Amino acid sequence: NAGVTQTPKFQVLKTGQSMTLQCAQDMNHNSMYWYRQDPGMGLRLIYYSASEGTTDKGEVPNGYNVSRLNKREFSLRLESAAPSQTSVYFCASNTGTGSTYEQYFGPGTRLTVT
Amino acid sequence: LAKTTQPISMDSYEGQEVNITCSHNNIATNDYITWYQQFPSQGPRFIIQGYKTKVTNEVASLFIPADRKSSTLSLPRVSLSDTAVYYCLVGPMFSGGYNKLIFGAGTRLAVHP
Repeated sequence: NAGVTQTPKFQVLKTGQSMTLQCAQDMNHNSMYWYRQDPGMGLRLIYYSASEGTTDKGEVPNGYNVSRLNKREFSLRLESAAPSQTSVYFCASNTGTGSTYEQYFGPGTRLTVT
Repeated sequence: LAKTTQPISMDSYEGQEVNITCSHNNIATNDYITWYQQFPSQGPRFIIQGYKTKVTNEVASLFIPADRKSSTLSLPRVSLSDTAVYYCLVGPMFSGGYNKLIFGAGTRLAVHP
């Protein structure tokens, strides 16, 4: 099993450009999450999808949109990138049964907006 | 969600036992305590989770006193590969629903030869 995979690994954007970060999991998990991590900080939740067909805002949703394409895939879109969105983006998944705080994280996407 | 306080950094040497304490004075009755580990340039990895007393797995032990206002993550005989950031998280468990992870700044553990 690959677990949680993310593409791309690195990306540089100019201010105002758009892009989509892709995430896929092969663990048959119901719930998927997008986080951002700024230097020296903990992770902050951007959006999550408790189950296929649903999405909800997290702590810092402004400037982002998400799509739960199917049970395996959850994408994050930046419509008009800003320098404040320079960060490392992590996707995660878990069973979504609510019986555990264990989430499985991908390797991250390092995004720089100039 | 209960706020947590943990040391910013710690240093240790190979072969020593490391104990990282997390303070959560406002923990609620239905809150659980969870610890994650994060290596540089990687996503966090779940280590252990508990509600009270002691929990042990193949990686670590989690000690929770009766008042649950603090918890201690114990790493036995650390090696250089245990150098990482360790996060303490506290939050309620919702059966059949979504459990929200709130990460603080964590504790940076450096293990020296």
